[in-house]
Amino acid sequence: DAGVTQSPTHLIKTRGQQVTLRCSPKSGHDTVSWYQQALGQGPQFIFQYYEEEERQRGNFPDRFSGHQFPNYSSELNVNALLLGDSALYLCASSLELTGSYNEQFFGPGTRLTVL
Amino acid sequence: GNSVTQMEGPVTLSEEAFLTINCTYTATGYPSLFWYVQYPGEGLQLLLKATKADDKGSNKGFEATYRKETTSFHLEKGSVQVSDSAVYFCALGTSGGSNYKLTFGKGTLLTVNP
Repeated sequence: DAGVTQSPTHLIKTRGQQVTLRCSPKSGHDTVSWYQQALGQGPQFIFQYYEEEERQRGNFPDRFSGHQFPNYSSELNVNALLLGDSALYLCASSLELTGSYNEQFFGPGTRLTVL
Repeated sequence: GNSVTQMEGPVTLSEEAFLTINCTYTATGYPSLFWYVQYPGEGLQLLLKATKADDKGSNKGFEATYRKETTSFHLEKGSVQVSDSAVYFCALGTSGGSNYKLTFGKGTLLTVNP
């Protein structure tokens, strides 16, 4: 089992550019959540995808958008990059089980640096 | 809204010392509580969890008890090892069901010296 994988590992962009980050969930999982972890801080919830739709969203601007594909993999897109978008972006996957706790498994993250 | 406050680090201990990392939370409803660990260069790993009041989560010698009366979930280990050096995050999530999102504390860096 490969677990949650993310690509790329590192990325450097300049202000105003756009970026796409990718996530493949753990085998058998159907739900993907994205988190932003600034240096020295805890992860902050960006949004969650299930059945190819955004189901929940944290306090992030519309510059942050996402997509989930039929194979459950997901992309995070950030437009008009700001210096403050520099962070580790974490993807977490889980299996939707109604009425029970759905443990989230995290990938290693993509380190985004905006210059 | 939901929030988690955990002990500021860094924490430096000698091997075999006792560890406590404090965590308190504010939440509506009945959250589940978690401790995650992040080893250098690796992703977050679930260390332990408790899904209702008075539950005790335990794993790898670590323990934490869900105290609703004090809104706390302190992490403890009786004898730490060098391999326990990592960043520890306390987190809460919506209790039960789907639509699960996690709210994390800022993390506590633990360094264990031989």
